[in-house]
Amino acid sequence: GAVVSQHPSWVICKSGTSVKIECRSLDFQATTMFWYRQFPKQSLMLMATSNEGSKATYEQGVEKDKFLINHASLTLSTLTVTSAHPEDSSFYICSANLVYEQYFGPGTRLTVT
Amino acid sequence: GNSVTQMEGPVTLSEEAFLTINCTYTATGYPSLFWYVQYPGEGLQLLLKATKADDKGSNKGFEATYRKETTSFHLEKGSVQVSDSAVYFCALSERNTGNQFYFGTGTSLTVIP
Repeated sequence: GAVVSQHPSWVICKSGTSVKIECRSLDFQATTMFWYRQFPKQSLMLMATSNEGSKATYEQGVEKDKFLINHASLTLSTLTVTSAHPEDSSFYICSANLVYEQYFGPGTRLTVT
Repeated sequence: GNSVTQMEGPVTLSEEAFLTINCTYTATGYPSLFWYVQYPGEGLQLLLKATKADDKGSNKGFEATYRKETTSFHLEKGSVQVSDSAVYFCALSERNTGNQFYFGTGTSLTVIP
């Protein structure tokens, strides 16, 4: 079946630094990928839709300058959290479209100290 | 607009008990419906899906039937196991919204021996 990977699976960084999270579709090409954020014991919140070859579409309330998304190829999308602060600590999950289904990555746990 | 309303948890059951997690939806078109499961510290895994009315999705003893007349997609399992302890998310997607997913709030299930 279709597999989506994320790297790293967890990361700890200091406040003020930037962190890049990669999302890869391993055995299929994905023109569209999605980035979600999940707070403890809560549902997934869609942050943005990443489109290969064009700018990402951000959901209302999501700072595009803080959460930079680049969909450089049909198998890779990256989310960069710039100038991270403790409130950015969260579980970030990506997904990729294949036909009419979404396949989810295993998630990245970000902790900002 | 599209939305998913899911039974609030947490739910605690004894092993071999019957499980029902209610899910209702609102959609502008003809959505596909999904149940995802999330184990602690992991991403989402597709549990089952149904793409049209009266379809029944099933997997690992779990079942859900797409009921258009009641706009529901309730998850059921006849006999739960300790290993079923996880958070369950109901979701819908529609082609006319670019296959964007709309998630319920999640229901935490704990099965005790």
